[in-house]
Amino acid sequence: KNQVEQSPQSLIILEGKNCTLQCNYTVSPFSNLRWYKQDTGRGPVSLTIMTFSENTKSNGRYTATLDADTKQSSLHITASQLSDSASYICVVSGVWGKLQFGAGTQVVVTP
Amino acid sequence: DTGVSQNPRHKITKRGQNVTFRCDPISEHNRLYWYRQTLGQGPEFLTYFQNEAQLEKSRLLSDRFSAERPKGSFSTLEIQRTEQGDSAMYLCASSKEDRGFGNQPQHFGDGTRLSIL
Repeated sequence: KNQVEQSPQSLIILEGKNCTLQCNYTVSPFSNLRWYKQDTGRGPVSLTIMTFSENTKSNGRYTATLDADTKQSSLHITASQLSDSASYICVVSGVWGKLQFGAGTQVVVTP
Repeated sequence: DTGVSQNPRHKITKRGQNVTFRCDPISEHNRLYWYRQTLGQGPEFLTYFQNEAQLEKSRLLSDRFSAERPKGSFSTLEIQRTEQGDSAMYLCASSKEDRGFGNQPQHFGDGTRLSIL
């Protein structure tokens, strides 16, 4: 069973609207949690990285939150743009640096 | 741009042929990782190097797969006797040395897409 579960699997939003993606994990012990954006046919690009002691991190219109007690994270996209259409991958690092990847949430922003 | 470079970007080959991919990491990064990604899934870890030493291999890395990093700089991933199931995106990533806490970000290349006919 994957130790990192993401939801929804995909979503479609109108340009300018906000959306929130969810990530639940069971990786333990836990070191940090990352969100990556992956455009079609490209490699993942890091958006945020949070250690267990951080509960929020922003990168422009992207805001990630982390609740290490409930092992949940979310990625909020504000005022979506067409260029936000991509797969968003939640990645959890165990203490020794081994990364566990979620399957990603495919976001489609429509005009 | 001195990001992670992978080539070729696309490779189409017949089943049973051997293929080799190359990854050039960011120059000051001494860790290099290989992942495999299939459609609709996140990357799956294959192997990683610290300098020229291959420190870990996933059970996904069958004996048909071999990876090298001979001088601690670029790396190659070879697949022998390719099978249909090998069709995937092969991603390379690099990072600075991690002191065991997994806090160094991994920088990914754009991958090599392998299609087996």
